Amino acid sequence: DAGVIQSPRHEVTEMGQEVTLRCKPISGHDYLFWYRQTMMRGLELLIYFNNNVPIDDSGMPEDRFSAKMPNASFSTLKIQPSEPRDSAVYFCASSGLAGFNEQFFGPGTRLTVL
Amino acid sequence: AQSVTQLGSHVSVSEGALVLLRCNYSSSVPPYLFWYVQYPNQGLQLLLKYTTGATLVKGINGFEAEFKKSETSFHLTKPSAHMSDAAEYFCAVRDGGATNKLIFGTGTLLAVQP
Repeated sequence: DAGVIQSPRHEVTEMGQEVTLRCKPISGHDYLFWYRQTMMRGLELLIYFNNNVPIDDSGMPEDRFSAKMPNASFSTLKIQPSEPRDSAVYFCASSGLAGFNEQFFGPGTRLTVL
Repeated sequence: AQSVTQLGSHVSVSEGALVLLRCNYSSSVPPYLFWYVQYPNQGLQLLLKYTTGATLVKGINGFEAEFKKSETSFHLTKPSAHMSDAAEYFCAVRDGGATNKLIFGTGTLLAVQP
């Protein structure tokens, strides 16, 4: 298995632009998590899905952030409009019922908003 | 509610010395405990996990951790540090309820001096 795949790996954009981050979870996993990591705030859980349904989005910082999971093999995290304070590394992780909660992380997307 | 406390945001050891990274948890359900490692510019990777059974758990790269219920601890150790162990280490506990959500500690950055 290729593991969790995220794209792009790096994104540089200007304030006010729309940003879309993409994630492909490990096949067969039914949980998908989006995290944000910054020096100031550490690792934060933004939202997670179970069987493509959002379960808890309490970590989504503002209405500018939205996430979707249209099918079991794809999820997006969108920021519109983007702001400089959104600059961070965004991780996607997936897990399955058989793994005792073990989560498998993707390599992350480093977002820079100028 | 579940929580994790990692004592020491930065730990520095000499190459060949013992590595000890501390983690204490709080859990209202039987805990599943995890240690993850994050190398620079990479995602989090599972080092080891405790779910049930033997309380001394061995992981990759020579690391091990011992679950001590009486002390609510799950400290990570390695007898002899190597330069390649320099990374950030995260302790995590499963959230209560029927989800695969993890509660992460704030991380400990390990430096290995030559």
